[in-house]
Amino acid sequence: EPEVTQTPSHQVTQMGQEVILRCVPISNHLYFYWYRQILGQKVEFLVSFYNNEISEKSEIFDDQFSVERPDGSNFTLKIRSTKLEDSAMYFCASSELDVLSTNEKLFFGSGTQLSVL
Amino acid sequence: LAKTTQPISMDSYEGQEVNITCSHNNIATNDYITWYQQFPSQGPRFIIQGYKTKVTNEVASLFIPADRKSSTLSLPRVSLSDTAVYYCLVEGTGRRALTFGSGTRLQVQP
Repeated sequence: EPEVTQTPSHQVTQMGQEVILRCVPISNHLYFYWYRQILGQKVEFLVSFYNNEISEKSEIFDDQFSVERPDGSNFTLKIRSTKLEDSAMYFCASSELDVLSTNEKLFFGSGTQLSVL
Repeated sequence: LAKTTQPISMDSYEGQEVNITCSHNNIATNDYITWYQQFPSQGPRFIIQGYKTKVTNEVASLFIPADRKSSTLSLPRVSLSDTAVYYCLVEGTGRRALTFGSGTRLQVQP
């Protein structure tokens, strides 16, 4: 079964540093997403991306966050100046655009555990 | 956005059938009911989706009564590897983001 790949699996950084989390979505998928999960808490939506632009974002996704699809395969999440509260597991997901479907099914990666010290 | 309510946790033993019920009293006409499974340190994984009546796949069954105000995920003959958090989501067409609640933490004992 095709899968979403995320790298690195773990990232440790100092507060105030920039981090880039990388994802390779499933090849024929057109919608891309980032979610995060703070330890012991809910999976929270950050942003969705389609056709090279953000289609929806949550209040968590402030000016410190940005997303990019630099080439035909990668999808990245950048945190410009990390804070302690950014420590979480970050999940990338993708979905296939199907004009006949009435609800999307998301495929999630295994996540990047970000630790901000 | 329909709010969902499901038990915080459930315990079972290997080989038993597990039924997890989710309440969604405010479900809208165009909302579908979707269940995801999440193992520790992994991303959620789609299990099953339905609109009404019964849906069955190789992993689970989903029972939805006529009023659609609740749904029941049924896992036949669970094993230790079914220990996970199970999320019930109710989302309408055209949405781009899924909203996860707290889920039901299923613990399967030997």
